[in-house]
Amino acid sequence: GDSVTQMEGPVTLSEEAFLTINCTYTATGYPSLFWYVQYPGEGLQLLLKATKADDKGSNKGFEATYRKETTSFHLEKGSVQVSDSAVYFCALNALTGGGNKLTFGTGTQLKVEL
Amino acid sequence: NAGVMQNPRHLVRRRGQEARLRCSPMKGHSHVYWYRQLPEEGLKFMVYLQKENIIDESGMPKERFSAEFPKEGPSILRIQQVVRGDSAAYFCASSTRQGTNEKLFFGSGTQLSVL
Repeated sequence: GDSVTQMEGPVTLSEEAFLTINCTYTATGYPSLFWYVQYPGEGLQLLLKATKADDKGSNKGFEATYRKETTSFHLEKGSVQVSDSAVYFCALNALTGGGNKLTFGTGTQLKVEL
Repeated sequence: NAGVMQNPRHLVRRRGQEARLRCSPMKGHSHVYWYRQLPEEGLKFMVYLQKENIIDESGMPKERFSAEFPKEGPSILRIQQVVRGDSAAYFCASSTRQGTNEKLFFGSGTQLSVL
């Protein structure tokens, strides 16, 4: 079945450091890929998405490129801030049967320190 | 502009009791999804509902779990005769319409603890 694997956390960085959170997936066909973020005490929010190979999703300085050849969708940011501290979830939609039946990874907690 | 509201935030039940989790979607949203996150695992799809209809319940356990989204009022996820393995975070999400990749808005979740 479909699955998403992302790096375990917590990831602790200093402010202005470079961030990479790895995400790889297994799915039949050509899924759409997403990154969601959950700030403390809040619900998950869509951060960015990509719907086909080689697409790059970007938002708030975060980027991720849909790599079909490596089945990956790694999240990157050039300079993190304390306000980026949150849990980040990689997800896919296998696009079977319609609707938004997403498959999520386990989440990676990011802590950014001054 | 209220987001997706879930209550309660935390729910404690003893084994054998019933748990009722509520989800009020965003204003104007008629599509609701329930997800469950077990400890150390990712969120898993449970059920997809529109007003008064269950569209996809392929992720629901066969017994003890049910969901509804009535014409008026919140969506309810009901767990009868809870067991310790039901302890998890339950998230609700809503969207404006059916469609692949339609943006989902999530609630903050209900943390269910079964003693």
